[in-house]
Amino acid sequence: DQQVKQNSPSLSVQEGRISILNCDYTNSMFDYFLWYKKYPAEGPTFLISISSIKDKNEDGRFTVFLNKSAKHLSLHIVPSQPGDSAVYFCAASAGGTSYGKLTFGQGTILTVHP
Amino acid sequence: DVKVTQSSRYLVKRTGEKVFLECVQDMDHENMFWYRQDPGLGLRLIYFSYDVKMKEKGDIPEGYSVSREKKERFSLILESASTNQTSMYLCASSPRLAGMDNEQFFGPGTRLTVL
Repeated sequence: DQQVKQNSPSLSVQEGRISILNCDYTNSMFDYFLWYKKYPAEGPTFLISISSIKDKNEDGRFTVFLNKSAKHLSLHIVPSQPGDSAVYFCAASAGGTSYGKLTFGQGTILTVHP
Repeated sequence: DVKVTQSSRYLVKRTGEKVFLECVQDMDHENMFWYRQDPGLGLRLIYFSYDVKMKEKGDIPEGYSVSREKKERFSLILESASTNQTSMYLCASSPRLAGMDNEQFFGPGTRLTVL
């Protein structure tokens, strides 16, 4: 069963506008969430994270929102730039003795048009 | 600067061959992971290791085995490669932390094609 889901396979946005990427999870034991960005032929790179004790975390143009009651998180990119075009994965961790194990979503391909 | 390296960027093997994928990290991380990435399926965990000689099955371990003889090196082995193991293989590492910060650092990936 897919415990972390990204239901939008792709998203297309104009440069300068907001990009919103969504992620849903089913496991209530997840207490830490991360977003990774992946360019073709490269490994994923960490972008931003959020702990379950928060509902928002910002880092420059990137903001992650967490709605625990809805088991939903979203990544906002404002303003979007062509260099943001990549695959975005959300991931979740259950902490404790999980040994840092992450569960990933299917990914969303973001395309930002100039 | 964390560095995770993988032995090959591209690999082509024949069905039935034994395949070794090597991963090395230089940050003294305790945890290491092997994933495969397939379109529409995201990253799926094959195996992970939280210490030398320790290994745990991930979500899709069938057809794979691993070896961790040294802290910095984690090998993925396909005992008898099959065409459905054609995929992008990604290695990652992370430190063992007391808190919840479980950021993993990834290598560049190995694109394996099994003919």
